Amino acid sequence: AQKVTQAQTEISVVEKEDVTLDCVYETRDTTYYLFWYKQPPSGELVFLIRRNSFDEQNEISGRYSWNFQKSTSSFNFTITASQVVDSAVYFCALRAIIQGAQKLVFGQGTRLTINP
Amino acid sequence: EAGVAQSPRYKIIEKRQSVAFWCNPISGHATLYWYQQILGQGPKLLIQFQNNGVVDDSQLPKDRFSAERLKGVDSTLKIQPAKLEDSAVYLCASSPRTSGRALETQYFGPGTRLLVL
Repeated sequence: AQKVTQAQTEISVVEKEDVTLDCVYETRDTTYYLFWYKQPPSGELVFLIRRNSFDEQNEISGRYSWNFQKSTSSFNFTITASQVVDSAVYFCALRAIIQGAQKLVFGQGTRLTINP
Repeated sequence: EAGVAQSPRYKIIEKRQSVAFWCNPISGHATLYWYQQILGQGPKLLIQFQNNGVVDDSQLPKDRFSAERLKGVDSTLKIQPAKLEDSAVYLCASSPRTSGRALETQYFGPGTRLLVL
């Protein structure tokens, strides 16, 4: 199966707390890409990161960091010192071949609320 | 650089009516996607265009949904007739790249929120 699971439907934290969003994927492809997108209340999806299956190095970008572990098929996203502007729905996605064509398979999303 | 534009932003119709959505991608982008995002779910690809040709429409319910991309620029997505389960946000995205590489660089519009009563 080509599938992405984000088990956390909603998370609510107080500003400045660290928060981790979980993403578990299933794929039969030997080469694949994983993505994280942010969807603020305005509606558009904003690209955050892309990681290919050959690169298991963790990545840090400012307050954002990503932990990719092939052994557990996980690609978790951590926000350090969260801010109110981080409030949004976050989607993890997998580039997969389905019905002969490459598509993005999205998880159900995690709604993150940062309270002041 | 202007982003992906979509209109209308909101639409309310009754079941069995017809509705059309419009997307203007970023200038020069070869690839255009339409996604359906049902409340509480991630987006699902409906159709992918490369210039004015269809690359993938395997998940488009062709008995009621149609889409076109005239002259390889703007695109319209139509539903006729609409059902209650079509209530969703319809997102348009574009990419300057083609084929599978286009998925790596997608720019999304704000979406059209459709409510079917």
